[in-house]
Amino acid sequence: NAGVTQTPKFQVLKTGQSMTLQCAQDMNHNSMYWYRQDPGMGLRLIYYSASEGTTDKGEVPNGYNVSRLNKREFSLRLESAAPSQTSVYFCASSVDRGWNQPQHFGDGTRLSIL
Amino acid sequence: ELKVEQNPLFLSMQEGKNYTIYCNYSTTSDRLYWYRQDPGKSLESLFVLLSNGAVKQEGRLMASLDTKARLSTLHITAAVHDLSATYFCAGSTSGTYKYIFGTGTRLKVLA
Repeated sequence: NAGVTQTPKFQVLKTGQSMTLQCAQDMNHNSMYWYRQDPGMGLRLIYYSASEGTTDKGEVPNGYNVSRLNKREFSLRLESAAPSQTSVYFCASSVDRGWNQPQHFGDGTRLSIL
Repeated sequence: ELKVEQNPLFLSMQEGKNYTIYCNYSTTSDRLYWYRQDPGKSLESLFVLLSNGAVKQEGRLMASLDTKARLSTLHITAAVHDLSATYFCAGSTSGTYKYIFGTGTRLKVLA
């Protein structure tokens, strides 16, 4: 009963390095999301994918790219990491059409950029 | 664009007391969600409120939605230590796939 799985759980990067955060869900959900959580700011939506083959920008997309590889997987890429991207990143999924079902969240990736 | 505000941001309360967390939103959002997050953990869905006047209860928590006032409340009855966590509300506008979260209310229940 895995739900939403994120890898890695922790990562430290140097400024300018790149990396990809992975997310996979096994609930046959159509919609997937990436959020960042910073102290005192709640969760802010970075990108989302309403269905396989589509992606859209959220509130804070600058500095990030995403790929909806297939129905199960949605990855988030930092091309050139900056200290301002130090945060906890959560992936989430929901059944269909998003708005009348709760989201299911992964355990998060704690990312530090030095 | 939808904005969601919660208050208070921090709440310290004695066991056995009642309190309410408020969630206001700026534009039409006839779907309102409440989540719980324990320190260092993921978010867990508590309630989904789908229509005006909706009320849902689970144990010592009760959530309600007033779409005319653009307000949702999370009422805590006779708090116990296990309820200590951060509670988030989130809204979603019909026809979009975006969930917009409030900044969260950090609740600490003192024995």
